[in-house]
Amino acid sequence: AQSVSQHNHHVILSEAASLELGCNYSYGGTVNLFWYVQYPGQHLQLLLKYFSGDPLVKGIKGFEAEFIKSKFSFNLRKPSVQWSDTAEYFCAVRGTYKYIFGTGTRLKVLA
Amino acid sequence: DAGVIQSPRHEVTEMGQEVTLRCKPISGHNSLFWYRQTMMRGLELLIYFNNNVPIDDSGMPEDRFSAKMPNASFSTLKIQPSEPRDSAVYFCASSFFQAGTDTQYFGPGTRLTVL
Repeated sequence: AQSVSQHNHHVILSEAASLELGCNYSYGGTVNLFWYVQYPGQHLQLLLKYFSGDPLVKGIKGFEAEFIKSKFSFNLRKPSVQWSDTAEYFCAVRGTYKYIFGTGTRLKVLA
Repeated sequence: DAGVIQSPRHEVTEMGQEVTLRCKPISGHNSLFWYRQTMMRGLELLIYFNNNVPIDDSGMPEDRFSAKMPNASFSTLKIQPSEPRDSAVYFCASSFFQAGTDTQYFGPGTRLTVL
């Protein structure tokens, strides 16, 4: 069965700290992987996506993610977080047509 | 492009009333998704349309929920009768499905409160 696991449910960091959010997926076919961000009270916005090619994907706002096929992982990283990065982050894998979303990671950045 | 448009943004109703949520997908997109988000259950896919045809409605919680897509630019999600446990944020998303490389774009959501 297709599934996505986000192990960190809540993360608290100080500004300028480095961020890495874990995402592991289970899917037998060709994977399309996504990270979405949801700022407080807002809708989900696409941060970055991986379909094929370079496994290191760069997205908006300085975020990047690395697809490691052997580990079934697609971790999100940012070298230096800002207070404005406070949000909930969702990893998703695309199956035949459905997106399977993880349960989300709530990030709080302290100023 | 205006993005995915949803209305209303907020809806407060009383138990037993009919609620209709509306969605206008991005022009040119051929796939539309309705999701429900709650603290307890996270983001759940309710129904998926492709070319205006419902493909998968396995996520629709029960017969009180129904969804239609009469044309490529409009979809509705109806709850009749509504119950307090239906309180959630309902998101509509659209994409252009082509050879498995589509990307979903989400609307701003409708926050539904059933009293």
